[in-house]
Amino acid sequence: GAVVSQHPSRVICKSGTSVKIECRSLDFQATTMFWYRQFPKKSLMLMATSNEGSKATYEQGVEKDKFLINHASLTLSTLTVTSAHPEDSSFYICSATRGAEGPQHFGDGTRLSIL
Amino acid sequence: RKEVEQDPGPFNVPEGATVAFNCTYSNSASQSFFWYRQDCRKEPKLLMSVYSSGNEDGRFTAQLNRASQYISLLIRDSKLSDSATYLCVVTLNQGGKLIFGQGTELSVKP
Repeated sequence: GAVVSQHPSRVICKSGTSVKIECRSLDFQATTMFWYRQFPKKSLMLMATSNEGSKATYEQGVEKDKFLINHASLTLSTLTVTSAHPEDSSFYICSATRGAEGPQHFGDGTRLSIL
Repeated sequence: RKEVEQDPGPFNVPEGATVAFNCTYSNSASQSFFWYRQDCRKEPKLLMSVYSSGNEDGRFTAQLNRASQYISLLIRDSKLSDSATYLCVVTLNQGGKLIFGQGTELSVKP
């Protein structure tokens, strides 16, 4: 069964709206979660590393004020796309590692469409 | 140079064929290696980890050559259900961020 849950799976909204995506580890505690973005026919690109109880670490070129990450508990990380625009339309996926050395498990992904 | 580079696809093969995917990585300090499978519009799913000694899981065999910084995946007796995009993934440290190749699309035809 799924070990990482992501919600919502699909969002369609108007330009200028802020959208929050949740990522939960279901039966384990994850001090670190990762947020990826995937454009059509492209590979996954890491956006940021979410650390429980501290600030997220953003990859080069990713605006931290645009993509707000909160990792308030050991089982939940949220990504908020603020004032979303059509170019933010993409497939957003989170992942978490069970244990320090385990493989990463991915959420189902959120398909975001900004009109 | 891309950090992780894969064969450009797509690969179109008949059922029962053997198909091999190649992948190279640029950072010699890379520690862990994986093959993931991604179906259309879905999240990636771990297919198998890759070890220096090589490892096999049913019809799937993965090989790692650290000296050449090369990873491969062999699929024998391919099935229709093997159709997907195969992602070569590398990480610098266990539990750390994943670095994805661009993926190689496989289409298995009847």
